[in-house]
Amino acid sequence: EAGVTQFPSHSVIEKGQTVTLRCDPISGHDNLYWYRRVMGKEIKFLLHFVKESKQDESGMPNNRFLAERTGGTYSTLKVQPAELEDSGVYFCASSTRARSAEAFFGQGTRLTVV
Amino acid sequence: GNSVTQMEGPVTLSEEAFLTINCTYTATGYPSLFWYVQYPGEGLQLLLKATKADDKGSNKGFEATYRKETTSFHLEKGSVQVSDSAVYFCALTRANQAGTALIFGKGTTLSVSS
Repeated sequence: EAGVTQFPSHSVIEKGQTVTLRCDPISGHDNLYWYRRVMGKEIKFLLHFVKESKQDESGMPNNRFLAERTGGTYSTLKVQPAELEDSGVYFCASSTRARSAEAFFGQGTRLTVV
Repeated sequence: GNSVTQMEGPVTLSEEAFLTINCTYTATGYPSLFWYVQYPGEGLQLLLKATKADDKGSNKGFEATYRKETTSFHLEKGSVQVSDSAVYFCALTRANQAGTALIFGKGTTLSVSS
């Protein structure tokens, strides 16, 4: 069974550009989470989907970030326009129940904004 | 608010050395505590967990005991191997509207040499 897959693994963009990160959860997992680790800091929760609905987006840093999960399958996280402080590793995770601690994580997307 | 504090890394050890990575937490209520590990090029994996005071989580030779009186969950291993080289994250869960989200520490990089 495939695990959580994230695309791309690395992305380098210029400040002001747009980037879209994608996450394919494990098939059948209704719960999908996004987390972010800025260099040298904690991994921080961004948001939680249950199917296509946003259940908790309290961790989204600002309105330059837009997460979607159309059809309740894969999810995208768009950053527009990107700023230098958005650099970091973005993790996606999925689970059957609404518990992050039971979630399986992807390998992350390393985003570098220059 | 809820938070996790880990010892600063990197930690550099020789093979078969004893490992301790300190973790303390601040939380309301009675959180569950976790250690996650990220091996190079891979996603986060749950290493072990403890859900109540005095519980001991263990896996792959690693252990951690939930100490409510000292609000700690230190990770230990008696004899590390080169293959243990990774980044280790201490985490706890908090309750939100839909379920639980993880709160992580900053991570500790472990490098084991032969």
